[in-house]
Amino acid sequence: AQSVTQLDSQVPVFEEAPVELRCNYSSSVSVYLFWYVQYPNQGLQLLLKYLSGSTLVKGINGFEAEFNKSQTSFHLRKPSVHISDTAEYFCAVSPTDSWGKLQFGAGTQVVVTP
Amino acid sequence: DGGITQSPKYLFRKEGQNVTLSCEQNLNHDAMYWYRQDPGQGLRLIYYSQIVNDFQKGDIAEGYSVSREKKESFPLTVTSAQKNPTAFYLCASGLTGSSYNEQFFGPGTRLTVL
Repeated sequence: AQSVTQLDSQVPVFEEAPVELRCNYSSSVSVYLFWYVQYPNQGLQLLLKYLSGSTLVKGINGFEAEFNKSQTSFHLRKPSVHISDTAEYFCAVSPTDSWGKLQFGAGTQVVVTP
Repeated sequence: DGGITQSPKYLFRKEGQNVTLSCEQNLNHDAMYWYRQDPGQGLRLIYYSQIVNDFQKGDIAEGYSVSREKKESFPLTVTSAQKNPTAFYLCASGLTGSSYNEQFFGPGTRLTVL
């Protein structure tokens, strides 16, 4: 079984400042990793995913994430945020050895202010 | 356009009534899922289906029922046995042929019990 911990429930940030959202996971097998974004009253949209290869993954809207196997982390970053980045962000994992359910973290609410 | 549709967007129900939430996809995905979202709790899996005429309980199936008679459709019924049904409900779909479980989400239905 897998579990996901998002270390911050809310992250306030000023416009044009950088942001980092932290995600740690626990699993007895190797995992695939995902970050999703949810804008208010909408469904989830995939930001990026790590399947294999380079540990630095680039996604949509200027976001990137780095997979660190030794620290079992997959932190999400953006060098300069916009007001439109205000949303909830979810980290998720699924096992690589078989088809498995996605396990989601509790989410991090990002609030960008001018 | 390919995607997932959920209807209605907002739904109001009186206590003691069953209600059915619709989910349709035209992505030709075999797998479909229902999640419940409550503030601060992330997404919790209610039911999922990997193939037509088959489905499995997720983590919080009590008080819910589903059917999968067509590949494109996976309706969720919230029964009167669900003690606290007010929530945001998300439907998703994905592939089963690949090992990584990337899911695509609908826009959600917000259910309020009056």
